Amino acid sequence: GENVEQHPSTLSVQEGDSAVIKCTYSDSASNYFPWYKQELGKRPQLIIDIRSNVGEKKDQRIAVTLNKTAKHFSLHITETQPEDSAVYFCAASKGNFGNEKLTFGTGTRLTIIP
Amino acid sequence: NAGVTQTPKFRVLKTGQSMTLLCAQDMNHEYMYWYRQDPGMGLRLIHYSVGEGTTAKGEVPDGYNVSRLKKQNFLLGLESAAPSQTSVYFCASSYRTLGDTQYFGPGTRLTVL
Repeated sequence: GENVEQHPSTLSVQEGDSAVIKCTYSDSASNYFPWYKQELGKRPQLIIDIRSNVGEKKDQRIAVTLNKTAKHFSLHITETQPEDSAVYFCAASKGNFGNEKLTFGTGTRLTIIP
Repeated sequence: NAGVTQTPKFRVLKTGQSMTLLCAQDMNHEYMYWYRQDPGMGLRLIHYSVGEGTTAKGEVPDGYNVSRLKKQNFLLGLESAAPSQTSVYFCASSYRTLGDTQYFGPGTRLTVL
């Protein structure tokens, strides 16, 4: 089955600086890669996703890049703010009938230092 | 819309007891999922359903059973709870395929003594 590794497990960044979280996946057939943010005591919420037919996607201060050859994808957060402090999870799936499962990474706890 | 709701929010069980967690969604989603979240291990899929009357095993199905008798509800059962099942349980749903966003419920914190 699919295996998703996520690094680092914890990350502290000065407010205003950028943060980068990296994930690698094992199944070359995976084609859908979402990122979820989970604030303390809350439910995970989708913040951005990317499909294998694009290499990069941006949404304001958040961007995701995908390298299919190397089987890795990354989350980039620019101009970090205190409200960015949370646990971030990457995930991967094949996204087609019969392969409806998301495999999650183990999470990155991001702390923004004021 | 309430989105995805879970009942109960908290529960404490003794080893060997049974219980059922209820997940309900009002978004007419076909796909529903049960995950458990443990420190340092991310979200692990227990069971899932791709439609009313269907269920399938996920990554960690042992000790759990599920049923999807109605499209809007997905039940997770523990027949004989064990301390290893102490965890936070999240339900999620999505409209169709995995390319659609999964919406999560607020979670159920279960402690097995």
